Amino acid sequence: AAGVIQSPRHLIKEKRETATLKCYPIPRHDTVYWYQQGPGQDPQFLISFYEKMQSDKGSIPDRFSAQQFSDYHSELNMSSLELGDSALYFCASSLGVTRVTETQYFGPGTRLLVL
Amino acid sequence: GNSVTQMEGPVTLSEEAFLTINCTYTATGYPSLFWYVQYPGEGLQLLLKATKADDKGSNKGFEATYRKETTSFHLEKGSVQVSDSAVYFCALSVPHTGRRALTFGSGTRLQVQP
Repeated sequence: AAGVIQSPRHLIKEKRETATLKCYPIPRHDTVYWYQQGPGQDPQFLISFYEKMQSDKGSIPDRFSAQQFSDYHSELNMSSLELGDSALYFCASSLGVTRVTETQYFGPGTRLLVL
Repeated sequence: GNSVTQMEGPVTLSEEAFLTINCTYTATGYPSLFWYVQYPGEGLQLLLKATKADDKGSNKGFEATYRKETTSFHLEKGSVQVSDSAVYFCALSVPHTGRRALTFGSGTRLQVQP
């Protein structure tokens, strides 16, 4: 079965640079979530989209922005990168945010290292 | 707010031992509960879930029962294998309140020795 695809898998950037992470959800899934997992930490919710509209917002820094496109893929744009942004960034997708129950399926993550 | 508390790891067991990883939660409303597993260098995989009280989720020999009275969702497996070595995350979401994003516990690392 098709899974969530994330690209790139690894990314190395310098401080103050920008980065763009991409997420391709499971086909027919209409909702995308972004999470950040620091070293040895649990994943923290950043932001989510349903049908190309922002549906919820977590602890996403103002330096970050994201959007969901007409083909349902999503991009997380990160500017003015800081050392503390080094983390594993996960995308998860789900079907039917309007349903009472919902299961999120995670991609393999993008490992970002800021030097 | 919503929160999940897991037992601290690492948990070290011998192969074929019984496993319990405790998870308790605090939530506004009626949460859905999940266990995710993360193998070294990989993403999060859904292990099992339960969406209402007394539901039992099960998969690959793992089980967890949604206990509303004790606000718990403990993960159990009767006989662990070396291949079960991973980090296990308990998580919840509360869809009907609009907060569908997952709230995770801190994770419990399981090490199974041959």
